[in-house]
Amino acid sequence: EVQLVETGGGLVRPGSSLKLSCATSGFTFSNTWMNWVRQAPGKGLEWVALIKDKYSNYEANYAESVKGRFTISRDDSKSRVYLQMNTLRDQDTATYYCTRPPYGSYVGWFAYWGQGTLVTVSS
Amino acid sequence: DIVLTQSPALAVSLGQRATISCKTNQNVDYYGNSYMHWYQQKPGQQPKLLIYLASNLASGIPARFSGRGSGTDFTLTIDPVEADDTATYYCQQSRNLPNTFGAGTKLELK
Repeated sequence: EVQLVETGGGLVRPGSSLKLSCATSGFTFSNTWMNWVRQAPGKGLEWVALIKDKYSNYEANYAESVKGRFTISRDDSKSRVYLQMNTLRDQDTATYYCTRPPYGSYVGWFAYWGQGTLVTVSS
Repeated sequence: DIVLTQSPALAVSLGQRATISCKTNQNVDYYGNSYMHWYQQKPGQQPKLLIYLASNLASGIPARFSGRGSGTDFTLTIDPVEADDTATYYCQQSRNLPNTFGAGTKLELK
């Protein structure tokens, strides 16, 4: 069974940093492209970042809204994907979901989702 | 970026048909596939995949759900609507990065 479990959310001040983690199991993580998608309270879904596998040199792509502030990374030995968030803004307040496509090296659709972790940026 | 436009809300009666539309400002077809997907989200839950590549039913999803469309116009149909279908429905395109979502359509019962 595919499992995605996000951790690391919390309340932080504007301008600070936070690192989210997504622990995975039930599939071959090392050749699966992984994503983060977020949802502000009462709002819609926004794709945040994608990290490809080692065969694609761990290429990362970002939404314009987070480019230069957020960094997606992965540890294939631990089957984990991370989202380092720096210079956080009020508008980054959201539930952050770890998601994956239906099969490995593919952008596509988000077949699997974690339960999400809430990040609140407030002074 | 590809922009997806959905109507904000829809109210239907139990047992009737619900049709939710999603229009894009660019063609999302490529080599015979339409890169449009649909999700259902209930309050406090993560989104759930319903339809992928415009018309393919995801695993475990009842046949009451169906999708169609191509190019820039897509629809998700629920027929017949059941009480458990009250939720927000999102379309998403993966033709180009960044992946983008519609703003969501909230389905309510009359």
